[in-house]
Amino acid sequence: DIQMTQSPSSLSASVGDRVTITCRASQSISSYLNWYQQKPGKAPKLLIYAASSLQSGVPSRFSGSGSGTDFTLTISSLQPEDFATYYCQQSYSTLPFTFGPGTKVDIK
Amino acid sequence: QVQLQESGPGLVKPSQTLSLTCTVSGGSISSGGYYWSWIRQHPGKGLEWIGYIYYSGSTYYNPSLKSRVTISVDTSKNQFSLKLSSVTAADTAVYYCARDLALQYYFDYWGQGTLVTVSS
Repeated sequence: DIQMTQSPSSLSASVGDRVTITCRASQSISSYLNWYQQKPGKAPKLLIYAASSLQSGVPSRFSGSGSGTDFTLTISSLQPEDFATYYCQQSYSTLPFTFGPGTKVDIK
Repeated sequence: QVQLQESGPGLVKPSQTLSLTCTVSGGSISSGGYYWSWIRQHPGKGLEWIGYIYYSGSTYYNPSLKSRVTISVDTSKNQFSLKLSSVTAADTAVYYCARDLALQYYFDYWGQGTLVTVSS
């Protein structure tokens, strides 16, 4: 299986801050990397697919970059509704699909 | 707008079989181009992909669960189902159904999730 790691596991930030979350794959996954946001008691929501493509309806303050094994999710200006847990997921052809352990973003 | 809704018992006894159904509305499972997945999340933990099915009936399961998992599809009802046998307390989780785009395999629509507790 392809193992996914994320850093940090949690962070505290203020509204307006620029936030960067890193995801690393145990082997190259090209650009088959997706990002999700999950709020308590809710299903995950797709933010970014194929490493850098913004899902329809997702605010442009969210962006993704990277390829190979190293990826980042950036929130350019953190908004109150962005406090949540963020997961990366690899969708490379080698099944099974696997998720990172998550990064919790909370209020400083 | 595609919607997915999980249904099934919220409590299952150890050693029994967990059975859940996902009903899809706003789109047809038979239209192709998408795989239909089950994903679970243990309480307070991360996400684990269980497996998927295509409308044709072809499946792929996570090897960690493969011996206990069956996913099936009923295109006439626009539903797909999960069966997980020989459950233990370790199978207590929120179970989600989700749609993933073929060839890209990102999950763009999710059900709301259903908590299944394994307990006697």
